[in-house]
Amino acid sequence: QITLKESGPTLVKPTQTLTLTCTFSGFSLSTAAVGVGWIRQPPGKALEWLSVIYWDNDKRYSSSLHSRLTITKDTSKNQVVFTMTNMDPVDTGTYYCAHWAYDDSPTFGVTPRGFDSWGQGILVTVSS
Amino acid sequence: DIVMTQSPDSLAVSLGERATINCKSSQNVLYRSNNKNYIAWYQQTPGQPPKLLIYWASTRESGVPDRFSGSGSGTDFTLTISSLQAEDVAVYYCQQYFTTPWAFGQGTKVEIK
Repeated sequence: QITLKESGPTLVKPTQTLTLTCTFSGFSLSTAAVGVGWIRQPPGKALEWLSVIYWDNDKRYSSSLHSRLTITKDTSKNQVVFTMTNMDPVDTGTYYCAHWAYDDSPTFGVTPRGFDSWGQGILVTVSS
Repeated sequence: DIVMTQSPDSLAVSLGERATINCKSSQNVLYRSNNKNYIAWYQQTPGQPPKLLIYWASTRESGVPDRFSGSGSGTDFTLTISSLQAEDVAVYYCQQYFTTPWAFGQGTKVEIK
């Protein structure tokens, strides 16, 4: 069974750096065909994809936020750390980490499926 | 970047009736080497994280009721709930994962009429 849990500050001031940790179980980020992503959701609004890190340490970021984001993994601790610099009130929202899943078949090999397990999310408020 | 546009933004359907949600991608998301469309559908009920319903545009995730189905190819996709149940009241999102940056649609809210 895969579980993920986000942790970090729930209140940050404008211009500060947000650091969130995703602690997971049920899989290893040192195993091939695995990823962990971050997605956020402003109150009452849509999901926004932010970043993903893969088992091979490949990292991808949102185009619009790329300069502010960093994602790293610590496979020994089963954790992924996400940072966003220069926080602004518009960055207020629930931040989720999620397991990026693959299917492995003889016909097609390893093929991505989607985010099949999610943490409960952490509500981050940006306010002075 | 690929932009995902869902329609309608909201819909109200009577219990037992069909609900249809559309999702349009600004670019083709069909991966030709395996003939799979890299589209996922998620359901989000109030206060909960999203739940994966459909991947590869039309493959149901394990445990998802068969009243949920996905279809489409290339740039146009549909999520259908064949017989709406009370527990299906939620916001539904499509997502493209053909190329990063990945993108979600703006969501479609499904309510009971």
